[in-house]
Amino acid sequence: TAGITQAPTSQILAAGRSMTLRCTQDMRHNAMYWYRQDLGLGLRLIHYSNTAGTTGKGEVPDGYSVSRANTDDFPLTLASAVPSQTSVYFCASSPGQGNYEQYFGPGTRLTVT
Amino acid sequence: GENVEQHPSTLSVQEGDSAVIKCTYSDSASNYFPWYKQELGKRPQLIIDIRSNVGEKKDQRIAVTLNKTAKHFSLHITETQPEDSAVYFCAASKGSNTGKLIFGQGTTLQVKP
Repeated sequence: TAGITQAPTSQILAAGRSMTLRCTQDMRHNAMYWYRQDLGLGLRLIHYSNTAGTTGKGEVPDGYSVSRANTDDFPLTLASAVPSQTSVYFCASSPGQGNYEQYFGPGTRLTVT
Repeated sequence: GENVEQHPSTLSVQEGDSAVIKCTYSDSASNYFPWYKQELGKRPQLIIDIRSNVGEKKDQRIAVTLNKTAKHFSLHITETQPEDSAVYFCAASKGSNTGKLIFGQGTTLQVKP
C-alpha cells in the first residue's frame, strides 16, 4: 500500500506558467486537502474535498483550483504562477464520516522564479 | 477569522526532561484538536489527538490536555529523547464535526543529549 503520494517532488517554474501538482491516495479516504507550508506560518489550507465530486475553499484559495473527479485523485492547479506561490505543498487525506485523522503526502517543493 | 496561537516558537530541553507546548484557539465551535510532528524535510505525522468531550489523553510519553472553557490545549512530552527533536504543530478544527484544520505556527523542539 502506497498510502498517499505526490508528484513532482520538486519543481522550478517560471512566473506566468501553469502547473498541476498531483496527489493520489489508495486508502479509499473520502476527504482530501491541499496545504501550503511557509516558514513561520505553519500549514494553511488551500482547498479541500469532503467526497468525490465536491470541493471547497480553504484559508488561502486565490490563484489555485482543484478538482475531484474520483476518490483517489485530487490535483491542484496553478493557472498563472506568481513568486508568492513559492512554497512546500502538502496533500492530505482523511477517512471522513466522523474520522478526521489526516495523513499527509511527502510534499512538493515549488519555486516560482 | 478563526486562528490558533502556539507557544513557544522554540524550546530547548535536556534529554530526560519534560517539554510542554501550548496552543490557544478562537473558534468556540472547534471540537477536534490534533498534534503533528514534522522532522526536517519530512511530512507532518499525527502523534496524538483529542476531542472536545475529553479533557486529557495519554499515549506512552506524550499527553494532551484540553480546557474548553479557556480555549487552550497543551502537548506534554515526558522523558524526552533526542529523537523527539522536531517541529510540532497543533491544530483545531474549523467549526465542529469538520475535517478542516487551522494550524498553529509550530514549535521547534530541540532535545540536547
